[in-house]
Amino acid sequence: AQSVTQLDSQVPVFEEAPVELRCNYSSSVSVYLFWYVQYPNQGLQLLLKYLSGSTLVKGINGFEAEFNKSQTSFHLRKPSVHISDTAEYFCAVSVTSYGKLTFGQGTILTVHP
Amino acid sequence: EAGVTQFPSHSVIEKGQTVTLRCDPISGHDNLYWYRRVMGKEIKFLLHFVKESKQDESGMPNNRFLAERTGGTYSTLKVQPAELEDSGVYFCASSSPGTELNSPLHFGNGTRLTVT
Repeated sequence: AQSVTQLDSQVPVFEEAPVELRCNYSSSVSVYLFWYVQYPNQGLQLLLKYLSGSTLVKGINGFEAEFNKSQTSFHLRKPSVHISDTAEYFCAVSVTSYGKLTFGQGTILTVHP
Repeated sequence: EAGVTQFPSHSVIEKGQTVTLRCDPISGHDNLYWYRRVMGKEIKFLLHFVKESKQDESGMPNNRFLAERTGGTYSTLKVQPAELEDSGVYFCASSSPGTELNSPLHFGNGTRLTVT
């Protein structure tokens, strides 16, 4: 079975600072990797995904993530955050060809002015 | 296009009662998923429909949970009888047919279920 660990449950940052949200996974087979974001009172929205190819993946809202197979990591980064990035972020993996995802515990990103 | 809608947004019931959650996927989306997040824990997969057929129900916790998708449109998730540990947020998601992982999951806002 696979598992996902998000190393930080909460990350506070100031506006315009860079941020990295860490994600490690464990799996005995190849995985597909995802980051989702949940804004307050909304559903989850896909930020970006890694299926194959380039290990640096760019997503919406200026976010990017890098797949590191040797370290089994898929950390999410943004060079300069905005107040509007305040949300909960979820890392997820899939070992199937359909949308059966295994999620991490979530990281609450709070951007302060 | 209208997004995935879930009803009700909140439900508070007593232990032993029955609750039915409803999900209306995006029109044309054959794939429908149910997920659940128990407070303080990760979001967990419950099951996957393709049209009206259950493709994977490996995440259903026990036989108190019954999911249906008659006609391949909306889906219901019934909990009978509800227990305290069933409290949490139930998410529905849908995706279009085709190469599944290239079709992103569209999530609803969730139903927050509280069992007292």
